[in-house]
Amino acid sequence: AQTVTQSQPEMSVQEAETVTLSCTYDTSESDYYLFWYKQPPSRQMILVIRQEAYKQQNATENRFSVNFQKAAKSFSLKISDSQLGDAAMYFCAYRREETSGSRLTFGEGTQLTVNP
Amino acid sequence: DAMVIQNPRYQVTQFGKPVTLSCSQTLNHNVMYWYQQKSSQAPKLLFHYYDKDFNNEADTPDNFQSRRPNTSFCFLDIRSPGLGDAAMYLCATSRVGRAYNEQFFGPGTRLTVL
Repeated sequence: AQTVTQSQPEMSVQEAETVTLSCTYDTSESDYYLFWYKQPPSRQMILVIRQEAYKQQNATENRFSVNFQKAAKSFSLKISDSQLGDAAMYFCAYRREETSGSRLTFGEGTQLTVNP
Repeated sequence: DAMVIQNPRYQVTQFGKPVTLSCSQTLNHNVMYWYQQKSSQAPKLLFHYYDKDFNNEADTPDNFQSRRPNTSFCFLDIRSPGLGDAAMYLCATSRVGRAYNEQFFGPGTRLTVL
Protein backbone atom coordinates (compact mmCIF):
# COMPACT_ATOMS: atom_id res chain seq x y z
CA ALA A 1 0.00 0.00 0.00
CA GLN A 2 1.07 3.52 -0.69
CA THR A 3 1.85 5.93 2.14
CA VAL A 4 2.32 9.68 2.05
CA THR A 5 4.14 11.59 4.77
CA GLN A 6 4.18 15.30 5.44
CA SER A 7 6.62 15.95 8.25
CA GLN A 8 5.71 19.59 8.83
CA PRO A 9 2.34 19.94 10.61
CA GLU A 10 2.68 23.73 10.57
CA MET A 11 4.67 26.25 8.58
CA SER A 12 4.67 30.02 8.46
CA VAL A 13 5.99 32.50 5.94
CA GLN A 14 6.14 36.24 5.60
CA GLU A 15 4.10 37.79 2.83
CA ALA A 16 6.12 38.02 -0.41
CA GLU A 17 8.64 35.44 0.81
CA THR A 18 9.15 31.88 -0.39
CA VAL A 19 8.23 28.73 1.50
CA THR A 20 8.75 25.04 0.77
CA LEU A 21 6.46 22.29 2.01
CA SER A 22 7.84 18.77 2.19
CA CYS A 23 6.29 15.48 1.19
CA THR A 24 7.64 11.97 0.90
CA TYR A 25 5.83 8.89 -0.27
CA ASP A 26 6.33 5.20 -0.57
CA THR A 27 5.26 3.08 -3.51
CA SER A 28 6.38 0.12 -5.54
CA GLU A 29 4.73 1.43 -8.70
CA SER A 30 6.56 3.29 -11.43
CA ASP A 31 3.65 5.11 -13.05
CA TYR A 32 1.58 7.39 -10.85
CA TYR A 33 0.54 10.96 -10.23
CA LEU A 34 1.30 13.23 -7.32
CA PHE A 35 -0.75 16.24 -6.32
CA TRP A 36 -0.76 19.15 -3.96
CA TYR A 37 -4.23 20.18 -2.83
CA LYS A 38 -5.09 23.34 -0.92
CA GLN A 39 -7.91 23.46 1.63
CA PRO A 40 -8.65 26.98 2.89
CA PRO A 41 -10.60 27.31 6.15
CA SER A 42 -14.24 26.35 5.62
CA ARG A 43 -13.75 26.14 1.88
CA GLN A 44 -13.43 23.32 -0.57
CA MET A 45 -10.28 21.54 -1.48
CA ILE A 46 -8.78 22.63 -4.76
CA LEU A 47 -5.94 21.30 -6.84
CA VAL A 48 -2.79 23.40 -6.75
CA ILE A 49 -0.42 21.41 -8.93
CA ARG A 50 0.09 17.92 -10.32
CA GLN A 51 3.10 15.90 -11.38
CA GLU A 52 3.22 12.82 -13.58
CA ALA A 53 5.82 10.38 -12.36
CA TYR A 54 7.14 9.54 -15.80
CA LYS A 55 7.89 13.20 -16.52
CA GLN A 56 11.27 14.31 -15.28
CA GLN A 57 10.51 17.99 -15.63
CA ASN A 58 9.15 19.59 -12.49
CA ALA A 59 5.66 21.00 -12.78
CA THR A 60 5.07 24.73 -12.43
CA GLU A 61 1.85 26.71 -12.04
CA ASN A 62 2.48 30.43 -11.70
CA ARG A 63 3.89 30.98 -8.19
CA PHE A 64 3.71 27.27 -7.35
CA SER A 65 6.35 24.77 -8.35
CA VAL A 66 7.43 21.33 -7.26
CA ASN A 67 10.73 19.58 -6.74
CA PHE A 68 10.06 16.00 -7.75
CA GLN A 69 12.79 13.52 -6.86
CA LYS A 70 11.51 10.15 -8.04
CA ALA A 71 14.39 8.06 -6.77
CA ALA A 72 14.18 9.65 -3.36
CA LYS A 73 10.35 9.53 -3.45
CA SER A 74 10.20 13.18 -2.53
CA PHE A 75 7.71 15.76 -3.77
CA SER A 76 8.02 19.22 -2.25
CA LEU A 77 5.96 22.29 -3.03
CA LYS A 78 7.52 25.73 -3.33
CA ILE A 79 5.34 28.80 -3.05
CA SER A 80 7.03 31.97 -4.26
CA ASP A 81 5.93 35.52 -3.46
CA SER A 82 3.55 34.23 -0.78
CA GLN A 83 0.22 35.98 -0.50
CA LEU A 84 -2.28 36.19 2.35
CA GLY A 85 -4.67 34.10 0.29
CA ASP A 86 -2.19 31.23 0.29
CA ALA A 87 -2.94 30.57 3.95
CA ALA A 88 -4.54 27.13 4.09
CA MET A 89 -4.01 23.48 4.85
CA TYR A 90 -1.94 21.87 2.11
CA PHE A 91 -2.23 18.17 1.39
CA CYS A 92 0.16 16.10 -0.64
CA ALA A 93 -1.61 13.22 -2.38
CA TYR A 94 -0.62 10.12 -4.33
CA ARG A 95 -2.92 8.92 -7.07
CA ARG A 96 -3.22 5.36 -8.13
CA GLU A 97 -5.26 4.64 -11.23
CA GLU A 98 -7.73 1.80 -11.03
CA THR A 99 -10.28 0.48 -13.49
CA SER A 100 -13.09 1.83 -11.30
CA GLY A 101 -11.61 5.27 -10.81
CA SER A 102 -8.59 6.73 -9.10
CA ARG A 103 -7.55 6.28 -5.51
CA LEU A 104 -6.02 9.19 -3.64
CA THR A 105 -3.87 8.69 -0.58
CA PHE A 106 -3.34 11.90 1.34
CA GLY A 107 -0.61 13.00 3.70
CA GLU A 108 -1.53 14.43 7.08
CA GLY A 109 -1.35 17.98 5.83
CA THR A 110 0.68 21.12 6.52
CA GLN A 111 -1.05 24.17 7.94
CA LEU A 112 0.47 27.23 6.26
CA THR A 113 0.21 30.64 7.89
CA VAL A 114 1.11 33.75 5.92
CA ASN A 115 2.13 36.70 8.05
CA PRO A 116 1.59 40.24 6.74
CA ASP B 1 -20.18 26.85 -13.51
CA ALA B 2 -19.86 23.10 -13.34
CA MET B 3 -19.41 22.02 -9.77
CA VAL B 4 -19.81 19.59 -6.91
CA ILE B 5 -22.53 20.57 -4.44
CA GLN B 6 -23.02 19.19 -0.95
CA ASN B 7 -26.09 19.66 1.19
CA PRO B 8 -26.40 20.53 3.93
CA ARG B 9 -23.14 22.28 4.75
CA TYR B 10 -23.72 21.66 8.45
CA GLN B 11 -25.68 18.78 9.91
CA VAL B 12 -26.42 18.07 13.54
CA THR B 13 -27.80 14.70 14.54
CA GLN B 14 -28.32 12.77 17.74
CA PHE B 15 -26.42 9.72 18.79
CA GLY B 16 -27.95 6.73 17.02
CA LYS B 17 -30.30 8.75 14.80
CA PRO B 18 -29.86 7.95 11.10
CA VAL B 19 -28.62 10.76 8.93
CA THR B 20 -28.20 11.23 5.17
CA LEU B 21 -25.76 13.54 3.47
CA SER B 22 -26.23 14.59 -0.12
CA CYS B 23 -23.87 15.27 -3.02
CA SER B 24 -24.72 16.37 -6.53
CA GLN B 25 -22.57 17.25 -9.50
CA THR B 26 -22.99 19.06 -12.78
CA LEU B 27 -19.70 17.79 -14.21
CA ASN B 28 -21.20 14.60 -15.61
CA HIS B 29 -18.36 12.59 -14.12
CA ASN B 30 -18.83 8.86 -13.86
CA VAL B 31 -17.02 8.42 -10.56
CA MET B 32 -18.17 9.83 -7.23
CA TYR B 33 -16.25 9.46 -3.97
CA TRP B 34 -17.01 9.94 -0.28
CA TYR B 35 -14.24 10.88 2.13
CA GLN B 36 -14.29 11.32 5.89
CA GLN B 37 -12.03 14.01 7.29
CA LYS B 38 -11.66 14.33 11.03
CA SER B 39 -10.27 17.44 12.60
CA SER B 40 -6.70 18.21 11.51
CA GLN B 41 -6.41 14.89 9.70
CA ALA B 42 -6.12 13.76 6.13
CA PRO B 43 -9.25 12.83 4.18
CA LYS B 44 -9.91 9.12 4.28
CA LEU B 45 -11.71 7.38 1.43
CA LEU B 46 -14.86 5.56 2.56
CA PHE B 47 -16.13 4.29 -0.80
CA HIS B 48 -16.75 5.30 -4.36
CA TYR B 49 -19.08 4.63 -7.25
CA TYR B 50 -18.02 4.01 -10.80
CA ASP B 51 -21.31 4.57 -12.56
CA LYS B 52 -23.57 2.22 -10.60
CA ASP B 53 -20.79 -0.04 -9.38
CA PHE B 54 -20.14 0.39 -5.68
CA ASN B 55 -16.58 0.06 -4.38
CA ASN B 56 -16.22 -0.13 -0.62
CA GLU B 57 -12.95 0.36 1.26
CA ALA B 58 -12.02 -2.62 3.38
CA ASP B 59 -11.94 -0.66 6.63
CA THR B 60 -15.14 1.35 6.16
CA PRO B 61 -17.54 0.46 8.99
CA ASP B 62 -20.83 -1.20 8.09
CA ASN B 63 -22.55 1.78 9.69
CA PHE B 64 -21.77 3.73 6.53
CA GLN B 65 -23.77 3.09 3.38
CA SER B 66 -24.12 4.87 0.07
CA ARG B 67 -26.60 5.20 -2.76
CA ARG B 68 -26.27 6.58 -6.25
CA PRO B 69 -29.68 6.78 -7.91
CA ASN B 70 -28.34 8.51 -11.02
CA THR B 71 -25.20 10.08 -12.48
CA SER B 72 -25.73 13.40 -10.76
CA PHE B 73 -26.51 12.39 -7.20
CA CYS B 74 -24.84 10.35 -4.50
CA PHE B 75 -25.88 9.93 -0.87
CA LEU B 76 -24.02 8.95 2.27
CA ASP B 77 -26.15 7.23 4.89
CA ILE B 78 -24.96 6.78 8.44
CA ARG B 79 -27.31 4.27 10.01
CA SER B 80 -26.49 4.81 13.69
CA PRO B 81 -24.11 7.72 14.17
CA GLY B 82 -21.72 7.54 17.07
CA LEU B 83 -19.71 10.34 18.62
CA GLY B 84 -16.70 9.13 16.67
CA ASP B 85 -18.47 9.79 13.38
CA ALA B 86 -18.39 13.54 13.92
CA ALA B 87 -16.30 14.81 11.02
CA MET B 88 -16.27 16.67 7.75
CA TYR B 89 -17.58 14.54 4.90
CA LEU B 90 -16.23 15.38 1.49
CA CYS B 91 -17.70 14.36 -1.82
CA ALA B 92 -15.51 14.31 -4.92
CA THR B 93 -15.92 13.37 -8.57
CA SER B 94 -13.70 12.39 -11.44
CA ARG B 95 -13.69 10.75 -14.81
CA VAL B 96 -12.06 7.41 -15.37
CA GLY B 97 -8.87 7.25 -17.35
CA ARG B 98 -5.30 8.30 -17.13
CA ALA B 99 -5.86 11.63 -18.83
CA TYR B 100 -8.55 12.57 -16.32
CA ASN B 101 -6.43 12.59 -13.25
CA GLU B 102 -8.02 15.27 -11.09
CA GLN B 103 -10.67 14.77 -8.44
CA PHE B 104 -13.02 17.70 -7.95
CA PHE B 105 -14.19 18.26 -4.39
CA GLY B 106 -17.34 19.69 -2.93
CA PRO B 107 -17.27 22.09 0.05
CA GLY B 108 -18.05 19.32 2.51
CA THR B 109 -20.70 18.68 5.13
CA ARG B 110 -19.66 19.08 8.75
CA LEU B 111 -21.47 16.52 10.86
CA THR B 112 -21.96 17.04 14.58
CA VAL B 113 -23.23 14.15 16.72
CA LEU B 114 -24.82 15.07 20.04
